[in-house]
Amino acid sequence: DAGVIQSPRHEVTEMGQEVTLRCKPISGHDYLFWYRQTMMRGLELLIYFNNNVPIDDSGMPEDRFSAKMPNASFSTLKIQPSEPRDSAVYFCASSPWGLREQFFGPGTRLTVL
Amino acid sequence: KNEVEQSPQNLTAQEGEFITINCSYSVGISALHWLQQHPGGGIVSLFMLSSGKKKHGRLIATINIQEKHSSLHITASHPRDSAVYICAVTERNRDDKIIFGKGTRLHILP
Repeated sequence: DAGVIQSPRHEVTEMGQEVTLRCKPISGHDYLFWYRQTMMRGLELLIYFNNNVPIDDSGMPEDRFSAKMPNASFSTLKIQPSEPRDSAVYFCASSPWGLREQFFGPGTRLTVL
Repeated sequence: KNEVEQSPQNLTAQEGEFITINCSYSVGISALHWLQQHPGGGIVSLFMLSSGKKKHGRLIATINIQEKHSSLHITASHPRDSAVYICAVTERNRDDKIIFGKGTRLHILP
């Protein structure tokens, strides 16, 4: 299995631009998680899906952030408009068991200038 | 005060030393997780435990529910163990809420 796949691996954009991060979970995993990691705040859970349905989005920082999972093999995290404080590494993870054990993707390093 | 506190923040040791990383938490939990983040950024789940002790190779994780404390031990440490070790807890009755510690950066010198 290829593991969780994220794209792009690095993204540099200017303030105000729309950013779309992509994730392909491990086949057969019903749970998908989006995390953000910064030096100041560490890892934070943004949102997670179960069977393509968003279960908890209380970690999404504000309305500029949105996430979708149109099918079992694909999810996006969108930031519109982006701001410099959104600069972070964004991880996607999937699991067959919820939070019990997760398999992380390599992350997308986002820099907003 | 953070709900999950790790100590030390940074640790440098010589190859072969016995390593202990500590995690204290202030909420009721259903489970505690230890994660390893490699220098390249990749994250791997090491352990999930809710009581007692678990062992995997040279890694041992223990938890004391009464004291709200967990330790991660590494025996016969090796430079390839150099990584950030992150403790996280899943709140009791809130299986959708996971709280992460800030991590402990471990550097093992050859």
